[in-house]
Amino acid sequence: DADVTQTPRNRITKTGKRIMLECSQTKGHDRMYWYRQDPGLGLRLIYYSFDVKDINKGEISDGYSVSRQAQAKFSLSLESAIPNQTALYFCATSDGGINYGYTFGSGTRLTVV
Amino acid sequence: DQQVKQNSPSLSVQEGRISILNCDYTNSMFDYFLWYKKYPAEGPTFLISISSIKDKNEDGRFTVFLNKSAKHLSLHIVPSQPGDSAVYFCAASGNSGGSNYKLTFGKGTLLTVNP
Repeated sequence: DADVTQTPRNRITKTGKRIMLECSQTKGHDRMYWYRQDPGLGLRLIYYSFDVKDINKGEISDGYSVSRQAQAKFSLSLESAIPNQTALYFCATSDGGINYGYTFGSGTRLTVV
Repeated sequence: DQQVKQNSPSLSVQEGRISILNCDYTNSMFDYFLWYKKYPAEGPTFLISISSIKDKNEDGRFTVFLNKSAKHLSLHIVPSQPGDSAVYFCAASGNSGGSNYKLTFGKGTLLTVNP
């Protein structure tokens, strides 16, 4: 099993619909992150959480919300999807250790039509 | 304002030659730098990192060089192999200020290694 699992892998949704992207991890890390990748823009941070009671906005949080249901689960919601939220979304986890390395999931490709 | 910059969107090299990927940063509070590799349909995977107290870190075919005065780092891959073809992201983190505990990524460089 993958260390970080994202569901769904692909999703097409209509403008105005609510959609939730889910992420779970088996690494036992406290820290979890949501990034989006757009062509030519790299990886941009949406939200991050250092533990179950800690939620923080990243650089592009508008239009998104998150829920940290447990140490292992961190979900991202689009309350009312719009076409410019079409992107590749990645969840990541880290232990905040000296390497600061993140373990990423395989991504969710979201298309808003 | 982008704090981590990868100014070359793409790079093409011949198999066996050296690949050099460059990265510049603007935030002087960054003290740890990482390179990630990403294949299509997969998440980024950690490749190599370097602390600001060092100027070089080597791991097999991969070497990262850090020039703090120039706020510049580079990833060298020698020899390059077709399997190295991927997008490479430079990332940075710091122990203080607004960058604490979070990685800031560059836009990525697509490396193509031709057989």
